[in-house]
Amino acid sequence: GAGVSQTPSNKVTEKGKYVELRCDPISGHTALYWYRQSLGQGPEFLIYFQGTGAADDSGLPNDRFFAVRPEGSVSTLKIQRTERGDSAVYLCASSLMFSSDTQYFGPGTRLTVL
Amino acid sequence: QQQVKQSPQSLIVQKGGISIINCAYENTAFDYFPWYQQFPGKGPALLIAIRPDVSEKKEGRFTISFNKSAKQFSLHIMDSQPGDSATYFCAASTGNTGKLIFGQGTTLQVKP
Repeated sequence: GAGVSQTPSNKVTEKGKYVELRCDPISGHTALYWYRQSLGQGPEFLIYFQGTGAADDSGLPNDRFFAVRPEGSVSTLKIQRTERGDSAVYLCASSLMFSSDTQYFGPGTRLTVL
Repeated sequence: QQQVKQSPQSLIVQKGGISIINCAYENTAFDYFPWYQQFPGKGPALLIAIRPDVSEKKEGRFTISFNKSAKQFSLHIMDSQPGDSATYFCAASTGNTGKLIFGQGTTLQVKP
């Protein structure tokens, strides 16, 4: 079956602009996670959803970052007033349920802020 | 408390050799310890995982050794192959959340 998909695969934007990154999880997976991976580093947790609600958003770096999952499936990560330090690969993962189920990662969106 | 420390940063092994990557954690509430494999341009993929009620888990050529008292765990890749060349990440999480805390990664190169 289809895995986790993320669009776009690459996004180049200018400092100060707004961007949206989309994640399509595996069908039937109730838990969805966003991570950010900087070059040469491990993924860093941003937020996770159980169904439609954000169960833990403790990893969002500041109020410029926001994520939604209105129907409990597709999720969008939104970044306002982008800064050069936001440049990274944004990874989405889903799992059947929360807790210690296997998380299946998408290929990521590479965001470059000029 | 949330940190997971991974070593070495990079590793070169000859084909057929054993690759060993180590991780140490601080938070004793962690109860799930997966290893992920990542190829360039791809997302991480689960390789093998262990819970602290066992000291070792083996799946094919991959083995996790877990030392609860030392708060350390390691990945052993037996009979390493050039196709194993990738970046490996250890991670940890607690049972009531899937939030994974990742190590910094180890880049493995297996020479033919």
